[in-house]
Amino acid sequence: NAGVTQTPKFRVLKTGQSMTLLCAQDMNHEYMYWYRQDPGMGLRLIHYSVGEGTTAKGEVPDGYNVSRLKKQNFLLGLESAAPSQTSVYFCASSYNIQGSYNSPLHFGNGTRLTVT
Amino acid sequence: SQQGEEDPQALSIQEGENATMNCSYKTSINNLQWYRQNSGRGLVHLILIRSNEREKHSGRLRVTLDTSKKSSSLLITASRAADTASYFCATPGIMGSSNTGKLIFGQGTTLQVKP
Repeated sequence: NAGVTQTPKFRVLKTGQSMTLLCAQDMNHEYMYWYRQDPGMGLRLIHYSVGEGTTAKGEVPDGYNVSRLKKQNFLLGLESAAPSQTSVYFCASSYNIQGSYNSPLHFGNGTRLTVT
Repeated sequence: SQQGEEDPQALSIQEGENATMNCSYKTSINNLQWYRQNSGRGLVHLILIRSNEREKHSGRLRVTLDTSKKSSSLLITASRAADTASYFCATPGIMGSSNTGKLIFGQGTTLQVKP
């Protein structure tokens, strides 16, 4: 099992450019999440999905869009990148709703995005 | 808003020593989780302790939970250089008696174990 795979690993964008981050999981998990990690800010939830075809806003959703067309994939889109979106982005998945007893989060290894 | 806060922010010890990290949280919880993050990698789940448990062990890890003080500690015994990483506590947001489905992470403790 590969677990949670994120592509790309690194990306540099210019302000105003767009891009899509791909997350794939092979554990048949219903729940998938996108986080950003910034120094001094910890991990913040951007968007999440409770199943194929569903998405919901997290703590910091502005400037991002997501799609979950297939159960195993969760895409994060930046339509018009801004320097404030420079961050490390992590995708995670879980069997059950996060915070449940039997459902730890499984994380990918992140995408380091720089917006100049 | 942050739920868990780790203390200390950074810790440096020699190989073989024990490392203790603390986590404080603000609201009632039904469980608390600890994760490890190696440099340049994603977080890895270490251990979960339920609110009705006071202590839990997993290999060289020992986690305690004091719900009256709203605090938890993670002890790594006989540390190794490979334990060098950041450690995060995480608690589920609770509204009423329901899990909000949002796991809230602390800022983390950065542990350096010198060989």
